[in-house]
Amino acid sequence: AQSVSQHNHHVILSEAASLELGCNYSYGGTVNLFWYVQYPGQHLQLLLKYFSGDPLVKGIKGFEAEFIKSKFSFNLRKPSVQWSDTAEYFCAVDLNRDDKIIFGKGTRLHILP
Amino acid sequence: DTGVSQNPRHKITKRGQNVTFRCDPISEHNRLYWYRQTLGQGPEFLTYFQNEAQLEKSRLLSDRFSAERPKGSFSTLEIQRTEQGDSAMYLCASSSRGHGAYTFGSGTRLTVV
Repeated sequence: AQSVSQHNHHVILSEAASLELGCNYSYGGTVNLFWYVQYPGQHLQLLLKYFSGDPLVKGIKGFEAEFIKSKFSFNLRKPSVQWSDTAEYFCAVDLNRDDKIIFGKGTRLHILP
Repeated sequence: DTGVSQNPRHKITKRGQNVTFRCDPISEHNRLYWYRQTLGQGPEFLTYFQNEAQLEKSRLLSDRFSAERPKGSFSTLEIQRTEQGDSAMYLCASSSRGHGAYTFGSGTRLTVV
């Protein structure tokens, strides 16, 4: 079955540390890829998306993600995290670009001040 | 506010009762999605509409669940004869066909006691 896997369920970092959250999907066809973020008490918001073109995409708040087709991966990165990045991060895939998104289980990120 | 609106925000109901949730999407979006999210999980797809047509329904959606989108505007999700396992956050999202990324509402948290 098609799925989205996020490797880390809970990550704790200190401010200014670098971040990389892993995401893999299992599907051999064309995909659109997303990272969504949910800050405490808020609704899900789009962080960044990849549809085509440059596999390194930049999103809001200094986040970026790299699509590596051969590895079926779309890892999220940020060179230096801030306390305000404390949130839950969801990787999501639109398989076959049919506008129906499947979400991973999420990674809860906690940044220590 | 021109975002996705969901009502009510919270609903507590006794087992066996029927409940109905409402979602008002962004007005120019023709696609509307319902997801369910439980603790520690990512959003799980339930169903979606393009205009007034319900295009797909997940196997997660038992016969007790029904969704409508009359006139292609707001949508309702009804759960009949609620069970404790129905307790979850019910999320609504909308998008434009081909746009890919969704805009989510704040959700309706259902607690079945």
